[in-house]
Amino acid sequence: GENVEQHPSTLSVQEGDSAVIKCTYSDSASNYFPWYKQELGKRPQLIIDIRSNVGEKKDQRIAVTLNKTAKHFSLHITETQPEDSAVYFCAASIGSSSNTGKLIFGQGTTLQVKP
Amino acid sequence: DGGITQSPKYLFRKEGQNVTLSCEQNLNHDAMYWYRQDPGQGLRLIYYSQIVNDFQKGDIAEGYSVSREKKESFPLTVTSAQKNPTAFYLCASTRQNIQYFGAGTRLSVL
Repeated sequence: GENVEQHPSTLSVQEGDSAVIKCTYSDSASNYFPWYKQELGKRPQLIIDIRSNVGEKKDQRIAVTLNKTAKHFSLHITETQPEDSAVYFCAASIGSSSNTGKLIFGQGTTLQVKP
Repeated sequence: DGGITQSPKYLFRKEGQNVTLSCEQNLNHDAMYWYRQDPGQGLRLIYYSQIVNDFQKGDIAEGYSVSREKKESFPLTVTSAQKNPTAFYLCASTRQNIQYFGAGTRLSVL
């Protein structure tokens, strides 16, 4: 079945450093790749997403890159701040996102930013 | 905040009991989803519904049931057949592929 692998499971960085989280997916028909941030005990919130017709997207300190050939995508956070500490989930659409809107999620990465 | 309301926030289930988690949205979204979240794991899809009076099983539907009688509402029942129900349950709805989540219900077994 469809699968999304996310690495690393935990990541600790110093404030101001960059953080990179990587995901690979198995469904070659996937065309939508969102990233969610979940603070402890709260709901996941969408922070950035990318569609298969682009290779990179930036929003201030956050960027996502997509390599469709290799079926992997990555989240890059620059100039990390303590408030970036959370669990981050990647996801991929199951088939074309226009079919069902279904997503399959990675296992999550716990990011700790040390002041 | 998000227009998706889940209740209750905390729920306790006794042995052999069915419990129902509520999910209501006022976003006019057609599609709604239920996920289960366990520590150290991602979100796993239980059931989803793309339209009123229709729903489909997700990856871990055994021991759960749903209904979709109204567009705004998608309740999840955790039946006594679900032997390990302790988890954080999240409801979501979708517009233009973006999934919006409720605040979640934490279910524990007494």
